[in-house]
Amino acid sequence: RKEVEQDPGPFNVPEGATVAFNCTYSNSASQSFFWYRQDCRKEPKLLMSVYSSGNEDGRFTAQLNRASQYISLLIRDSKLSDSATYLCVVRGNTGKLIFGQGTTLQVKP
Amino acid sequence: GAGVSQSPRYKVAKRGQDVALRCDPISGHVSLFWYQQALGQGPEFLTYFQNEAQLDKSGLPSDRFFAERPEGSVSTLKIQRTQQEDSAVYLCASSLSEGLNNEQFFGPGTRLTVL
Repeated sequence: RKEVEQDPGPFNVPEGATVAFNCTYSNSASQSFFWYRQDCRKEPKLLMSVYSSGNEDGRFTAQLNRASQYISLLIRDSKLSDSATYLCVVRGNTGKLIFGQGTTLQVKP
Repeated sequence: GAGVSQSPRYKVAKRGQDVALRCDPISGHVSLFWYQQALGQGPEFLTYFQNEAQLDKSGLPSDRFFAERPEGSVSTLKIQRTQQEDSAVYLCASSLSEGLNNEQFFGPGTRLTVL
C-alpha cells in the first residue's frame, strides 16, 4: 500500500463547477501536509499547505482530518486555468516529501 | 530571481551507458533533494543533502544510483549502467534551511529516456 493514496481521475468538469479531491495517508505520525499543482511537463509547485483547522486561499479550501488520516482540496468556480494535476503531499522524516499519484483535473468551457 | 536549474533538460541514453544529471539549487539554500517521477506517477524521493552531507539516501533504487554535493551547492546524480526502467523525469528541489517547515522549490527536471 502506498503511503499517500489519491484517485488519479481524470476529473472532467465544466467551467464554474465545484470539484473536490481527496487523499489518504498511512503514517499517523505525519505532521505536515500540502497540495502541489503540476502542469503538464512542468515541475510541481506548492499550491497550499493544509492545516488541522482547515484553510482557504481564494477559491481553494484545504481540510485535514487527522483521525481518519484524510486530506481534501475543494476548488470552487473552476477556471480553465485550473486544469492540471493536483498532488497530495505528506512531509516525511528528514524533510522529504511523499507524494500521491496525483489527480488530473480537466476544466472544459 | 534565479530558481533551481537542472541540466541537461533532456537526455537519451543507450542501455548500459552512464549518465550524470546536474542540479544548481537556489543560492544559499542548505537543503537539496532528488526525486524520480515516472510517467503518470507522483515524484518519489531518492536522496537528501544538508550542505555537503548526504543525510538520507534511502530512496535510491539500486547501487547504480549515486549522488554527491561536494561543496554544498551544485549536486550531481549519477546513474551507472542505465536500464530501461530508469526512464523517468529526475527532479531536484532545494529549501532554505534544514528546518522541516521550509518550502521546497523544484527545478524543471531532467527527462531521461533509456533505449
